[in-house]
Amino acid sequence: KAGVTQTPRYLIKTRGQQVTLSCSPISGHRSVSWYQQTPGQGLQFLFEYFSETQRNKGNFPGRFSGRQFSNSRSEMNVSTLELGDSALYLCASSLVRDWETQYFGPGTRLLVL
Amino acid sequence: AQTVTQSQPEMSVQEAETVTLSCTYDTSESDYYLFWYKQPPSRQMILVIRQEAYKQQNATENRFSVNFQKAAKSFSLKISDSQLGDAAMYFCALGDGANSKLTFGKGITLSVRP
Repeated sequence: KAGVTQTPRYLIKTRGQQVTLSCSPISGHRSVSWYQQTPGQGLQFLFEYFSETQRNKGNFPGRFSGRQFSNSRSEMNVSTLELGDSALYLCASSLVRDWETQYFGPGTRLLVL
Repeated sequence: AQTVTQSQPEMSVQEAETVTLSCTYDTSESDYYLFWYKQPPSRQMILVIRQEAYKQQNATENRFSVNFQKAAKSFSLKISDSQLGDAAMYFCALGDGANSKLTFGKGITLSVRP
């Protein structure tokens, strides 16, 4: 089975722009979670989607949003980018919401200038 | 709120030796799961081992085993016969049975000396 894929792998944006990141889960996995990884804050949970519904959300401003499609693929969007949004964004998928192991993609490295 | 603490930022081990990475956690949930993930320089998070809180038996995966002390809320990872490929950052993570959110520790950087 193919693993979790994320596109793009690297991205450079400037402050004020918006960005969309994509995640394709492992085939058959229905839950997709997003995490932000930075040197200062470590790994922080953004949100989780299951059956096209956001079921859990972390403590991030409303500029961070996401969605899930009927084929379980997910996108996250960050609007009005700030320098502090520079991070590795990791997507993880699992079979169902409760409780299966989460398998991670390679991440998208976002640099905001 | 759930917390995961990895107090050692770095550790080093000689190739072929054994090393133990420490992790403590706190949760008010009765149903939860614990994980160790490995993140090599490629930044790909790789599952090392998983432990269900309701299981008394410690999980084992080849050279990797855990010491799960539920009452002490401790979850350490033992790597036996360390290999150069084990060098990476290791994260301890806690998930509860109610949702899919994982809470991670700050991680520990493990280096392996040849």
